[in-house]
Amino acid sequence: DAKTTQPNSMESNEEEPVHLPCNHSTISGTDYIHWYRQLPSQGPEYVIHGLTSNVNNRMASLAIAEDRKSSTLILHRATLRDAAVYYCILRDPLIRGGSQGNLIFGKGTKLSVKP
Amino acid sequence: KAGVTQTPRYLIKTRGQQVTLSCSPISGHRSVSWYQQTPGQGLQFLFEYFSETQRNKGNFPGRFSGRQFSNSRSEMNVSTLELGDSALYLCASSLVPGVNEQFFGPGTRLTVL
Repeated sequence: DAKTTQPNSMESNEEEPVHLPCNHSTISGTDYIHWYRQLPSQGPEYVIHGLTSNVNNRMASLAIAEDRKSSTLILHRATLRDAAVYYCILRDPLIRGGSQGNLIFGKGTKLSVKP
Repeated sequence: KAGVTQTPRYLIKTRGQQVTLSCSPISGHRSVSWYQQTPGQGLQFLFEYFSETQRNKGNFPGRFSGRQFSNSRSEMNVSTLELGDSALYLCASSLVPGVNEQFFGPGTRLTVL
């Protein structure tokens, strides 16, 4: 499985934008880039995913480098509720040994938001 | 639409006992995956079920098993509990494997004494 590299922790001020980086230099052509986050005492929740083009949804934006070897999750205005561990995960939806049903979580980035 | 529910939320067992955890996926979701989360190892994939069939299994001993019923509800069982099995067990559901995002439940906190 292709691996991702994220900083262990980041800090942000409330109501400021946050850019969470992820490196995935061994990404394959069919890997999608997924982001999940886990708030304290909760299960992970889906944030966003993309393949090649930048993506936006109500929670965040995902900027994908042209060579796809890195991506950045953008929270446009951080709130205290955004304090969580953010996971960047590569996922291949094509049938390959049936493994596409599982997510491979790394250590993620722990985001702290200061008021 | 109700989210993924897991029962029980908390459980205390002693070494050598066995335990069964239950997961009810979001209505219409047919794929259920199980994960174990510990401070040391983080989130690790246990197994995935789709249409009552185990499609994939993580690197866990045979003491860990699971099943899925025709209504997509799933159970996982851990036999001969060890202290190291103390963890948060998370269940996630999705429409089908691989394509859609997974929706996680709140987890079952298992403590083995």
